[in-house]
Amino acid sequence: EAQVTQNPRYLITVTGKKLTVTCSQNMNHEYMSWYRQDPGLGLRQIYYSMNVEVTDKGDVPEGYKVSRKEKRNFPLILESPSPNQTSLYFCASSLTRQGGSPLHFGNGTRLTVT
Amino acid sequence: DAKTTQPNSMESNEEEPVHLPCNHSTISGTDYIHWYRQLPSQGPEYVIHGLTSNVNNRMASLAIAEDRKSSTLILHRATLRDAAVYYCIPRRQYGGSQGNLIFGKGTKLSVKP
Repeated sequence: EAQVTQNPRYLITVTGKKLTVTCSQNMNHEYMSWYRQDPGLGLRQIYYSMNVEVTDKGDVPEGYKVSRKEKRNFPLILESPSPNQTSLYFCASSLTRQGGSPLHFGNGTRLTVT
Repeated sequence: DAKTTQPNSMESNEEEPVHLPCNHSTISGTDYIHWYRQLPSQGPEYVIHGLTSNVNNRMASLAIAEDRKSSTLILHRATLRDAAVYYCIPRRQYGGSQGNLIFGKGTKLSVKP
């Protein structure tokens, strides 16, 4: 089944403890992206990648890192999480970055940083 | 980036058609119009997209105005499962970050039994 898989679904951690949220897609998509969703602020883009080894900042990249060493994987790294990164995170992918390419989303990762 | 305007909320009765409007008067000639929906506690889900012509798929229809400054998502027979937030988003055909999807606040659709 074609899908975007995020892990874990839920994560509770403490301030400063490095963590990684994984994202994998099995559709050979070039484009991948991370969003966070907060009440009242909607979905905001953190980082995106147009292909392997090509990543760029979205609207809210501070405090996050990403890597794209393989086409299928696009992990989101929080080197030193802080409480303001408590949020619902979504990974997404599309065949290309071009306008006619629909985005497919994962089921989300709910992160709590205490 | 093209700006979109959608009603904050709409209500519908089950089994009736729903027309969800979106204004995108600053859209570029190469922007596709995408629609996504987000059910409670789930990730956004692709619904439909188009460029100039009206489009149909198993989920919905998309009617695009001739001047492309607005579009309407049509759910032909609303079900309770269609209750969600619906987002209308332009996506640039070519060009770096302008291929990114920028989400607005969307329209919250309620469906009454």
